[in-house]
Amino acid sequence: EAEVAQSPRYKITEKSQAVAFWCDPISGHATLYWYRQILGQGPELLVQFQDESVVDDSQLPKDRFSAERLKGVDSTLKIQPAELGDSAMYLCASSLAFPSGTQYFGPGTRLLVL
Amino acid sequence: DAKTTQPPSMDCAEGRAANLPCNHSTISGNEYVYWYRQIHSQGPQYIIHGLKNNETNEMASLIITEDRKSSTLILPHATLRDTAVYYCIVRPQGGGADGLTFGKGTHLIIQP
Repeated sequence: EAEVAQSPRYKITEKSQAVAFWCDPISGHATLYWYRQILGQGPELLVQFQDESVVDDSQLPKDRFSAERLKGVDSTLKIQPAELGDSAMYLCASSLAFPSGTQYFGPGTRLLVL
Repeated sequence: DAKTTQPPSMDCAEGRAANLPCNHSTISGNEYVYWYRQIHSQGPQYIIHGLKNNETNEMASLIITEDRKSSTLILPHATLRDTAVYYCIVRPQGGGADGLTFGKGTHLIIQP
């Protein structure tokens, strides 16, 4: 069964350092999403791509967060500089249909900022 | 803001049917009801979705009331592995930006 791949699964960094997360969606899925989930809360959308284009980044803190999907396949989410409040699970999801396709999530990257 | 209301937690005995309620009284005509679950430290898992008819798949059944203001997710024979947080999400169809809006969900605990 095809799955969304994410790496690393866990990341520990110090505040003010740069950190990057990678996501490989299910093959053929043109829509890709990044979510952030703070402990005890539901996931919140950060950014949505359709192919290589950004559809929605209204909730992305653009002063320190950036996301790219240069070839419309895999994607990277970067934080620079990391802050203590960025400690969270970062989830990637993909969907086949656009709009409104069912989203399938990866296992997530758990970030701890010290 | 989440458009759904769910109880924060529920218990169910192993082998029994688990019935998880969700209120979505402000749902619009073009909005679907989606259910996801999240087992501890994993990514959310899609379960089922529907518009107005009842739906069933290999995981669960979804019962939507006739006025569409509430729904119930049914796990017919709950096992310990069904312990998770269950999210009910209302999602419009069509349009471009279609990220899911998660609430706090229901923490379902299956008791042995």
